[in-house]
Amino acid sequence: GAVVSQHPSWVICKSGTSVKIECRSLDFQATTMFWYRQFPKQSLMLMATSNEGSKATYEQGVEKDKFLINHASLTLSTLTVTSAHPEDSSFYICSARVAAGNTEAFFGQGTRLTVV
Amino acid sequence: QKEVEQDPGPLSVPEGAIVSLNCTYSNSAFQYFMWYRQYSRKGPELLMYTYSSGNKEDGRFTAQVDKSSKYISLFIRDSQPSDSATYLCAMSTTSGTYKYIFGTGTRLKVLA
Repeated sequence: GAVVSQHPSWVICKSGTSVKIECRSLDFQATTMFWYRQFPKQSLMLMATSNEGSKATYEQGVEKDKFLINHASLTLSTLTVTSAHPEDSSFYICSARVAAGNTEAFFGQGTRLTVV
Repeated sequence: QKEVEQDPGPLSVPEGAIVSLNCTYSNSAFQYFMWYRQYSRKGPELLMYTYSSGNKEDGRFTAQVDKSSKYISLFIRDSQPSDSATYLCAMSTTSGTYKYIFGTGTRLKVLA
């Protein structure tokens, strides 16, 4: 299947600082990328949908000023957690759809964020 | 009622057993159905992707979709300890952002 690379795989940061997570589609162009958050032993919660060159669409209850998403190219989307707090500690995962209209999506390996 | 229901398990089976994993859903607009496998602290890995009702087979895995009952299944034959993971069903519609709605995932443990 297609490869989606997410970096870093884990990060520890101090409360109040910002953290950027990158999601790259390595062997295809992704017009749409999705960002999820997953708590332990729970399913994936969609945070936002990002389309290349346009503003991200956030799910209800997700603070867009706290979770900044940029999709500057067809192969790269970034999620920046601003002014991180311990409650933001979670597993963040991105996914990318292979082609417009094709709903088959592949996931990155996830980023474990710990805010201390 | 959640849009997608999935028994969280855990489900423990002996090596070699046939495993049946299931999801039910309430939204008849769902047309695409996926099964993902997720190992601990890793991203989900796509196993099966189906569009129509019926069966789809890939190696030891068979995905089954019954749209009339709003019920999907994943069967694993000759289960191996390496199959121990969380299995997530996901579904989406054919319009809009095609966003996925996930089940809670079923934790499977295959005992050697």
